[in-house]
This record gives sequence, C-alpha cells and structure tokens, in this order.
Amino acid sequence: AQSVAQPEDQVNVAEGNPLTVKCTYSVSGNPYLFWYVQYPNRGLQFLLKYITGDNLVKGSYGFEAEFNKSQTSFHLKKPSALVSDSALYFCAVRASQGGNNRKLIWGLGTSLAVNP
Amino acid sequence: DTGVSQDPRHKITKRGQNVTFRCDPISEHNRLYWYRQTLGQGPEFLTYFQNEAQLEKSRLLSDRFSAERPKGSFSTLEIQRTEQGDSAMYLCASSEDSINTEAFFGQGTRLTVV
Repeated sequence: AQSVAQPEDQVNVAEGNPLTVKCTYSVSGNPYLFWYVQYPNRGLQFLLKYITGDNLVKGSYGFEAEFNKSQTSFHLKKPSALVSDSALYFCAVRASQGGNNRKLIWGLGTSLAVNP
Repeated sequence: DTGVSQDPRHKITKRGQNVTFRCDPISEHNRLYWYRQTLGQGPEFLTYFQNEAQLEKSRLLSDRFSAERPKGSFSTLEIQRTEQGDSAMYLCASSEDSINTEAFFGQGTRLTVV
C-alpha cells in the first residue's frame, strides 16, 4: 500500500538557521513526490516536485528537496529560515504506475515554526 | 484566470440542511479533485473528474455527498442533510492531464455545521 510519513508533527528553528522537514514514502515503482505549504485558513500551495532526473530539486521561496531512493525519503530543506516560512508543510506521493490512479497520497503535515 | 477559485469561502449551516459548494478550476485543466481537510490532518481524497466524467469516488463519500462537473468546467459538491461531522475545510484542486503534474488548490470552503 502507498503511504507517506512525516515523522515530526512540529519543527522549531531560529530565523536564519537551516531547516529540514522530513518525509519518507512507500510506493510501488517509481514515485512522483511533491511538497506543498499551507498557511492558516488557506489552500495548499505547490512548492516543488520530484519526477525524474537530479535528486536535488529546487522550488519556490528558496526551498529545495532531496530525493533519496535508498532511504525512500524526500526531505524538504532551506538554507536560511524566515519567520514568514512558518506554516504547515505537506509531503505527497503518487505512484508512476497504476493506470488511471491520479490520487495523491498525503502525509499528515508538519508544522514549522520559525522563531525570530 | 489566475488560479482555482472556490465559493463560498465560509459556510455556516444548521444540522440537517443541504449545502452546495462551487469550484472553478484553472481553465485549461482537465482534472478536478475534491478533498476534505480537518484540523491537524492532511487532505482526504473525496472524488475526481476528468473533464465531465467522475472517475473515482472515495468510500469516505457517503450517499449524502454528490459532486458534478456537467460541462467539464466548474464543479459543484453538494452535501445533503448535513451532520456536525461534516464540519471541515473542503478543498478543490485542478491539474493538467498528466500523472506527473502538480495539482493547484483553491482557497477552500470552510463548512461549520451547528
């Protein structure tokens, strides 16, 4: 069965420090991996995705994520956190196989708090 | 067309009433999805359309829930005889017709059943 795990409910970092939000996945075949961010009372905004190619993908707002096939991980990173990065972050996966199945499987989210 | 729009943004209704939400996707997107999200949880898949065809419906979607996309453009989600457990954020998303493309989400409709 496909699944996504975000092992940390909350991550706290000081402004200016690097941040990492962890994500691991389980899927048959090659994964398509996505990160989204959600601000309070708002919809989800797409940050970045991994489809194929370079394991390090760069996205919006200075975020990047590294795909690690052996560890089945896709951790979200940013070299220097901003207070405005404080939000809820969701990792999602879709299997590249499976016919018409377009569903994304979502993690439960990680709340990021960046302290000034 | 700058994104996915949902209407209304907020809805408060009494238990037992019917409610209908609307979603206008990005115009060139064939795929449209409905999700439900409760506090502290990730989005739960409800249903999705390719053009006007409803291709999949979650078991979470009871008989009180129905969704349509009659002309392959906007979609509506109706909840009949609302219950307090229906209180949630209802999210709509759209995407191109390719498995490796990202979905774009609307701002959501927050439903409160009192």
